[in-house]
Amino acid sequence: DTGVSQDPRHKITKRGQNVTFRCDPISEHNRLYWYRQTLGQGPEFLTYFQNEAQLEKSRLLSDRFSAERPKGSFSTLEIQRTEQGDSAMYLCASSLTSGRPTDTQYFGPGTRLTVL
Amino acid sequence: GNSVTQMEGPVTLSEEAFLTINCTYTATGYPSLFWYVQYPGEGLQLLLKATKADDKGSNKGFEATYRKETTSFHLEKGSVQVSDSAVYFCALSDPGGGADGLTFGKGTHLIIQP
Repeated sequence: DTGVSQDPRHKITKRGQNVTFRCDPISEHNRLYWYRQTLGQGPEFLTYFQNEAQLEKSRLLSDRFSAERPKGSFSTLEIQRTEQGDSAMYLCASSLTSGRPTDTQYFGPGTRLTVL
Repeated sequence: GNSVTQMEGPVTLSEEAFLTINCTYTATGYPSLFWYVQYPGEGLQLLLKATKADDKGSNKGFEATYRKETTSFHLEKGSVQVSDSAVYFCALSDPGGGADGLTFGKGTHLIIQP
């Protein structure tokens, strides 16, 4: 399977703990995106990378959130001092950008985070 | 800012009925428009897209036309099947307006009864 993969698929943690998620994009895709989806809502954009550079961050990405893509391949999203409001599905997507708005983003299966 | 509004669900239809899911948008630039589908237990999949005004995207019997004058991108299918039951998301990409990430609607849950 050469699609976008995410790990873990499910994470249950206690409030105040740190969690880290991983995303492996489609090979050779140079853009990688992170979204958050809560129940009954559409995905909301968090941040994206072009190669290893983080180019845009949403106001939703508080100081407790940090994302990296150190070698321009896989990415990690870390949430520090988790809160119950962080419970959501975290989605990763990748695309091969041509610099045009037509680029298609391909989504992974998501990591479902539950904060107790 | 950018926004996408789509009809509230759930939408319940009988098999072979005609489907329309309304989607309207607000964007600052010249967006591309997308429909994504999420089947039960699966991730988001691109269903179709249109990149400029009057373009028609189509796939698996679904189609949607980019209407700039009405800022709409309604999803239609002539005869739905039980297997079409899923959540459908309308989305836009507007990098010219400073937003490289996709802006999604809230989703419409479609239920097809045999």
